[in-house]
Amino acid sequence: NAGVTQTPKFQVLKTGQSMTLQCAQDMNHEYMSWYRQDPGMGLRLIHYSVGAGITDQGEVPNGYNVSRSTTEDFPLRLLSAAPSQTSVYFCASKGTSGTRGIYNEQFFGPGTRLTVL
Amino acid sequence: ELKVEQNPLFLSMQEGKNYTIYCNYSTTSDRLYWYRQDPGKSLESLFVLLSNGAVKQEGRLMASLDTKARLSTLHITAAVHDLSATYFCAVSLYNQGGKLIFGQGTELSVKP
Repeated sequence: NAGVTQTPKFQVLKTGQSMTLQCAQDMNHEYMSWYRQDPGMGLRLIHYSVGAGITDQGEVPNGYNVSRSTTEDFPLRLLSAAPSQTSVYFCASKGTSGTRGIYNEQFFGPGTRLTVL
Repeated sequence: ELKVEQNPLFLSMQEGKNYTIYCNYSTTSDRLYWYRQDPGKSLESLFVLLSNGAVKQEGRLMASLDTKARLSTLHITAAVHDLSATYFCAVSLYNQGGKLIFGQGTELSVKP
């Protein structure tokens, strides 16, 4: 299993540009989430999903959109990038008691380092 | 609103010494996680604590959970340089398994 994968690893945008951060998992996990990490603030939840077609907002959703059309993929869209969105973005997934694997664990991807100029 | 607070935020230790990191949370939770993060890397899962009184140990690290006090501790025994990293606790709400609220992190530096 590849686990949780994220692309790209690094990205530089100009203010106002749009882009999509990709996240995929091959563990058949129902739960998927996006977090951003800023210095001194830990990780903050942006959006999460409890299954295909179901998403909800986290602590800091403004400026970000998500959709979940398949169990495997959970892309994060920045419609009009702002310097305040400069951060490291982590995608995570977690199974439920009905799936194989360690269902209590939440697994994190390698991260995407985004800079908005 | 669920809040998670860690202390200390910075910890400089000498090798061979013991210390404890504290994680307090503000409302009822069903799971508490401890993660380790090395600079520039992702989060590595250390422990998942599910119930009151749970204690888990791995090497020089031991985590415990007191749900009545809403407190978890990560105890470091006889620290070694390889333990230098940032440690996070995170809490999930009941029946919201994919939604974690993180503490600010504790940056641990172990010096010879």
